[in-house]
Amino acid sequence: SQKIEQNSEALNIQEGKTATLTCNYTNYSPAYLQWYRQDPGRGPVFLLLIRENEKEKRKERLKVTFDTTLKQSLFHITASQPADSATYLCALDGPQAGTALIFGKGTTLSVSS
Amino acid sequence: DADVTQTPRNRITKTGKRIMLECSQTKGHDRMYWYRQDPGLGLQLIYYSFDVKDINKGEISDGYSVSRQAQAKFSLSLESAIPNQTALYFCATSVSGSGTDTQYFGPGTRLTVL
Repeated sequence: SQKIEQNSEALNIQEGKTATLTCNYTNYSPAYLQWYRQDPGRGPVFLLLIRENEKEKRKERLKVTFDTTLKQSLFHITASQPADSATYLCALDGPQAGTALIFGKGTTLSVSS
Repeated sequence: DADVTQTPRNRITKTGKRIMLECSQTKGHDRMYWYRQDPGLGLQLIYYSFDVKDINKGEISDGYSVSRQAQAKFSLSLESAIPNQTALYFCATSVSGSGTDTQYFGPGTRLTVL
């Protein structure tokens, strides 16, 4: 069955550094991959989407890469700030038509000043 | 006003009670979802509906039922609540035809079953 893994449950970095979060998947080839941000007690918020034919996508300090050979996406936050502290979820399109997104369990990022 | 609203925001109930969580959206989206979230387990899909006449079970539908009363409303029922249904519940919406199924989440309902 399809599986999605976010390698680290928690990541702690210092302000100003680049945070890199990993999302790996197995057993199928998604057409796209999405990243969401979730603050404690709140619903996830969509950040970025990258399609299978795109290598990289950027939005302000965020960058996402998608390597379909490695079956991996990397999510980078450059010049990180304490306000970036949150849980970040990756999600892939369902394995067949008529199915819903599949979400990873998330990585909790803590940025210390 | 929020595009996706959930009521109630917090609910404490007792084992065996029937409860309903409601979700409404003003985004005009045709797809709606119910998730539960437990610490360390991520989002687990309970049910989803791709239009008013379409209801599908997710990975953890046992003990839950849903009703899609209109395109804008999707309710989740716990027929006989049990303590391990204590969790944070989220409703989400998306639009078909976008090719991406990007989801927009409500603020959540914190449910405690005693």
